[in-house]
Amino acid sequence: AQKITQTQPGMFVQEKEAVTLDCTYDTSDPSYGLFWYKQPSSGEMIFLIYQGSYDQQNATEGRYSLNFQKARKSANLVISASQLGDSAMYFCAMRGVNTNAGKSTFGDGTTLTVKP
Amino acid sequence: GAGVSQTPSNKVTEKGKYVELRCDPISGHTALYWYRQSLGQGPEFLIYFQGTGAADDSGLPNDRFFAVRPEGSVSTLKIQRTERGDSAVYLCASSSGGNYGYTFGSGTRLTVV
Repeated sequence: AQKITQTQPGMFVQEKEAVTLDCTYDTSDPSYGLFWYKQPSSGEMIFLIYQGSYDQQNATEGRYSLNFQKARKSANLVISASQLGDSAMYFCAMRGVNTNAGKSTFGDGTTLTVKP
Repeated sequence: GAGVSQTPSNKVTEKGKYVELRCDPISGHTALYWYRQSLGQGPEFLIYFQGTGAADDSGLPNDRFFAVRPEGSVSTLKIQRTERGDSAVYLCASSSGGNYGYTFGSGTRLTVV
């Protein structure tokens, strides 16, 4: 079974500052992928970043980076230089690479509010 | 199409009625997923199609729920004898496989009264 835990229901950050959103996971799959999605108030989920469990380097996509610590089973999202448009719900998710390959498990999300 | 299209965007139905929710994925995406999202929670897996076949339907809550994808493109999620607990946003997503994230549609908000 897979489980995603996001312990921060809500976070605030000042515009232009960096923020870290926490995610821990548990799985019995030997190979897996970790994902972050953004869900603005409009409701549409937007894929942000992917990290493979065997990737040697942390993933980066523009202002997003994933701080992957495999031994601690954590996959925190770092957003640099926050913008007002970053205010949204953020979900961490995972799925297996071989087993459970089609099924993603999501956390319950963190609401990020960027203050001007 | 350019994105994943879901219709209707909102559906209000009476308890006990039958509903169909439609998903039109990105052209060429072989994988299609249905998720259900309740207020304040993350999406919950329902079913996954690879082509025309349901590769994993372990998330369907009971036999009132059924989904099809007869030609490997458009999918329909069917709910019989709806109950108030079925009220949620039903999300459809598609992907081309591999290590990519999903492209989600805007969802169908189902309200059972």
